[in-house]
Amino acid sequence: GAVVSQHPSWVICKSGTSVKIECRSLDFQATTMFWYRQFPKQSLMLMATSNEGSKATYEQGVEKDKFLINHASLTLSTLTVTSAHPEDSSFYICSAGGRGGPGDEQFFGPGTRLTVL
Amino acid sequence: GEDVEQSLFLSVREGDSSVINCTYTDSSSTYLYWYKQEPGAGLQLLTYIFSNMDMKQDQRLTVLLNKKDKHLSLRIADTQTGDSAIYFCAEILGDYKLSFGAGTTVTVRA
Repeated sequence: GAVVSQHPSWVICKSGTSVKIECRSLDFQATTMFWYRQFPKQSLMLMATSNEGSKATYEQGVEKDKFLINHASLTLSTLTVTSAHPEDSSFYICSAGGRGGPGDEQFFGPGTRLTVL
Repeated sequence: GEDVEQSLFLSVREGDSSVINCTYTDSSSTYLYWYKQEPGAGLQLLTYIFSNMDMKQDQRLTVLLNKKDKHLSLRIADTQTGDSAIYFCAEILGDYKLSFGAGTTVTVRA
């Protein structure tokens, strides 16, 4: 099956610092990657869609200067939370598509827990 | 709030059947999905159904789709303790975006 990894699995940082989260598709080329944010006991909210080699498309209300997304290759997308603040603490999940399947099935990473002190 | 709606909690006895219900919004959604999320983990695709189907069965899982009412359900037969998790239904929108419900927390009691 398709495997998507995320690194790190959890990170604690000080307020004002930047944090980079990596999302990798290990055994297929992902033409599209999605970044989601999940608050405790809530659903996944789509933050942005990234296509390899082009700029990410952000959902309404998501600050593109705060959440920098780079999709430099067909197997790697990164999300950088810049100048992180406690309200950015959340569970960030990526998914990768482009392998085909029903509705171009998305394969999800295990998530990254970000805690900003 | 989410456009896809689910009940938030379900408690079921081990060995009984669980039924999780969902209503979605976009009648043009071609696929509808059920995902499972265990604590601290990402989402695992359980099953999906194509919009021209009424029912799909996959081992212990049965998905029913009522397109007229935009209602989707997931039945888990012989529920086990390992089925305790949060279950999300999702519809696919344009540009392959997924819209998720709030998730139903299923607790299996002995």
